[in-house]
Amino acid sequence: GAGVSQSPSNKVTEKGKDVELRCDPISGHTALYWYRQSLGQGLEFLIYFQGNSAPDKSGLPSDRFSAERTGGSVSTLTIQRTQQEDSAVYLCASSSDGALAGGTGELFFGEGSRLTVL
Amino acid sequence: KQEVTQIPAALSVPEGENLVLNCSFTDSAIYNLQWFRQDPGKGLTSLLLIQSSQREQTSGRLNASLDKSSGRSTLYIAASQPGDSATYLCAVGPYSGANNLFFGTGTRLTVIP
Repeated sequence: GAGVSQSPSNKVTEKGKDVELRCDPISGHTALYWYRQSLGQGLEFLIYFQGNSAPDKSGLPSDRFSAERTGGSVSTLTIQRTQQEDSAVYLCASSSDGALAGGTGELFFGEGSRLTVL
Repeated sequence: KQEVTQIPAALSVPEGENLVLNCSFTDSAIYNLQWFRQDPGKGLTSLLLIQSSQREQTSGRLNASLDKSSGRSTLYIAASQPGDSATYLCAVGPYSGANNLFFGTGTRLTVIP
């Protein structure tokens, strides 16, 4: 597609429920990132995918968070047993190649998925 | 760990004024530095990307400079317009050891008509 697409744009859920957030990166982009932006906070790195390499999960805050990327394209971020502190905007970004792959490393972001846990 | 700071946190200027936003980082071993704009309730829009070997980049009324040795970057906006009102974030890409960008908390700019 023309840009990074994320869905849903808004999600309201009850505490304890599981949620799935989807990211469709720019076609041909091999690198994909998930970030979290809480109210009044900076962007918090969650996870990074590069091609077929093992993902960098170092930013995931707990084992309730997981992500996968199928076929090197679409990615899904899953939050199990949601808590109120999970409320945030979840942003996905893609890049034609990661910085460590020798590319420019320029990131393009989607509009985000706003998650509210009641 | 890389730390990125943006000062001021908020800035209000009258329309037409030229302005400078500041970004500082603690580790000079960077791969690149990227400036973004974020409108309320929206995602981030890339404005300018400076590679570590470059000193500046320009796009229209925007000019970004990079001084790795002092750990600083500036974003210069010429002839500001009300449509420039947004939060501006800088992000630093590390050379090695991490795959993510390190973001500042942003400067919220308001351009008063």
